[in-house]
Amino acid sequence: AQSVAQPEDQVNVAEGNPLTVKCTYSVSGNPYLFWYVQYPNRGLQFLLKYITGDNLVKGSYGFEAEFNKSQTSFHLKKPSALVSDSALYFCAVRGPTSGTYKYIFGTGTRLKVLA
Amino acid sequence: GAGVSQSPSNKVTEKGKDVELRCDPISGHTALYWYRQRLGQGLEFLIYFQGNSAPDKSGLPSDRFSAERTGESVSTLTIQRTQQEDSAVYLCASSLLAAGANVLTFGAGSRLTVL
Repeated sequence: AQSVAQPEDQVNVAEGNPLTVKCTYSVSGNPYLFWYVQYPNRGLQFLLKYITGDNLVKGSYGFEAEFNKSQTSFHLKKPSALVSDSALYFCAVRGPTSGTYKYIFGTGTRLKVLA
Repeated sequence: GAGVSQSPSNKVTEKGKDVELRCDPISGHTALYWYRQRLGQGLEFLIYFQGNSAPDKSGLPSDRFSAERTGESVSTLTIQRTQQEDSAVYLCASSLLAAGANVLTFGAGSRLTVL
């Protein structure tokens, strides 16, 4: 069965500091991994995805994520946080060989960037 | 259309009533997904469509929930005999294909409140 875990309900970081939002997954075979962001009163927006290849994936708004197969992790990172990055972040996974095309989402991590 | 459109945006109903939620996906998107987001929680998979067929409806919580899609376009999620625990935001998303690592485009959601 596919699953994804976001161990932190909330992450607080000072503006200008680096940020990390954690995600671990469980899926058979090589995973497809995604990050989405949900701003208040707005729909979920795609940030980045990993399919194969380079373990460091760059996405929108200066975000990047690092795929680590041995640790089954896909942590979201940004070198310098902005107050406007404050939002709810979701990690999602799908196993290409799982027999279904559904995406499983984590429970979300609320990022709060403090001025 | 330019984006995924959901209606109604807000629905307040009495316990025991039936409700229908509608999703208009992006034109040409063959895959359509329904998720439920309870207050303060993550996205819970309900069902996905590939064309007009639903290969995976494993997330539907009970037989009170059903969904259909016609013309490889509009989808309707129906909840019969609503209960208070059905209160949530129901999110629809579409993607070009079901196969592959396609990005989901989400609608703004339909907020359902069952009194």
